[in-house]
Amino acid sequence: AQKITQTQPGMFVQEKEAVTLDCTYDTSDPSYGLFWYKQPSSGEMIFLIYQGSYDQQNATEGRYSLNFQKARKSANLVISASQLGDSAMYFCAMSYMDSNYQLIWGAGTKLIIKP
Amino acid sequence: ETGVTQTPRHLVMGMTNKKSLKCEQHLGHNAMYWYKQSAKKPLELMFVYSLEERVENNSVPSRFSPECPNSSHLFLHLHTLQPEDSALYLCASSQDGILTGGGTDTQYFGPGTRLTVL
Repeated sequence: AQKITQTQPGMFVQEKEAVTLDCTYDTSDPSYGLFWYKQPSSGEMIFLIYQGSYDQQNATEGRYSLNFQKARKSANLVISASQLGDSAMYFCAMSYMDSNYQLIWGAGTKLIIKP
Repeated sequence: ETGVTQTPRHLVMGMTNKKSLKCEQHLGHNAMYWYKQSAKKPLELMFVYSLEERVENNSVPSRFSPECPNSSHLFLHLHTLQPEDSALYLCASSQDGILTGGGTDTQYFGPGTRLTVL
């Protein structure tokens, strides 16, 4: 069965430190996509970054980068130089071919940045 | 207005009421989605529309009725809801949708409607 696992229910990080949020996935499909979303307390789900299964390089978007380790089936999100505004829930999600590209969602990690 | 908008942002209704949630996307996308997010549960996909045609209905109770009059607007009509239907309802849109987009079809979300059923 296709699955996304986020093992960290919550994290506290000091402002300006780097943060790594863990995500492991399980699929036998060779073609899939991995997404990270941020959800502040306001509720909106904000798209952060995408990694395709065939992409050779790790995706980067500003302070966000995705540490993609295909053999380990992990797609960790790295936030450099964390800011107070980074406090939110973070969700990892996966699309794959056999699901008609519906997204499979992880349970999320609550990140709190301390001043 | 930009992105995906949803109204109302908050809704409190009794079990016998009828109400509707509205979603509008200003991104020129062809697909729209309704999700339900309950506390301590993963996001649940409810309905998908691609080019105004419903392509997915994930065993959602009939008390939820979607409507997609055009590619920019999506409604969720609610009637005789139960207290367990209280949740955050999120609308999303994507360029191509489930049938054609493939793994790169990123979904963009609205701010959600927080629904409380008394």
